[in-house]
Amino acid sequence: EAQVTQNPRYLITVTGKKLTVTCSQNMNHEYMSWYRQDPGLGLRQIYYSMNVEVTDKGDVPEGYKVSRKEKRNFPLILESPSPNQTSLYFCASSLRVAGAGNEQFFGPGTRLTVL
Amino acid sequence: GQSLEQPSEVTAVEGAIVQINCTYQTSGFYGLSWYQQHDGGAPTFLSYNALDGLEETGRFSSFLSRSDSYGYLLLQELQMKDSASYFCAPEGAGKSTFGDGTTLTVKP
Repeated sequence: EAQVTQNPRYLITVTGKKLTVTCSQNMNHEYMSWYRQDPGLGLRQIYYSMNVEVTDKGDVPEGYKVSRKEKRNFPLILESPSPNQTSLYFCASSLRVAGAGNEQFFGPGTRLTVL
Repeated sequence: GQSLEQPSEVTAVEGAIVQINCTYQTSGFYGLSWYQQHDGGAPTFLSYNALDGLEETGRFSSFLSRSDSYGYLLLQELQMKDSASYFCAPEGAGKSTFGDGTTLTVKP
């Protein structure tokens, strides 16, 4: 089954304790992206990756890191989480062919609480 | 810079037609996507317009005017299950900008 998986789905942590949220896709997509969504708001892009070893900042990259060592994985790293990073996080992937469907497939989300 | 505007809320009755407008300002524009998100769920793709005009997919249609930086999503024969948030998302080469979304409430 074609899918994007994220782990963990729920996480409660404390300020300053490094954490990683994993994201994996099995569709051989070149493009992957991380978003955060806060109550009543849309999705804000954190980082995206056009291909292996190619990453770029989205609109809200501060406090986050990413890596893209393999095509299928795109982990999100919070080196020193703070309470303002409490949010719902989504990973997404797509073929990203310009002019084509550009459909993004989203993972189920990770609900992060930083105390 | 980038900006995106869509109505925050829309209410309609079952069986009706509703149009959700989206105006955007973005650089490096490739096309306009629309996504649906039910409460607590992941966004799901509805449609994508790269060229001007209307794209129809079942009960949903999406329109784009590149010269006006404007698009809309048209939902016909509304059903209760269409109650959700709808996001327009101008797509660039890598960046995706989602608006704050339009909450559609369908009433019996």
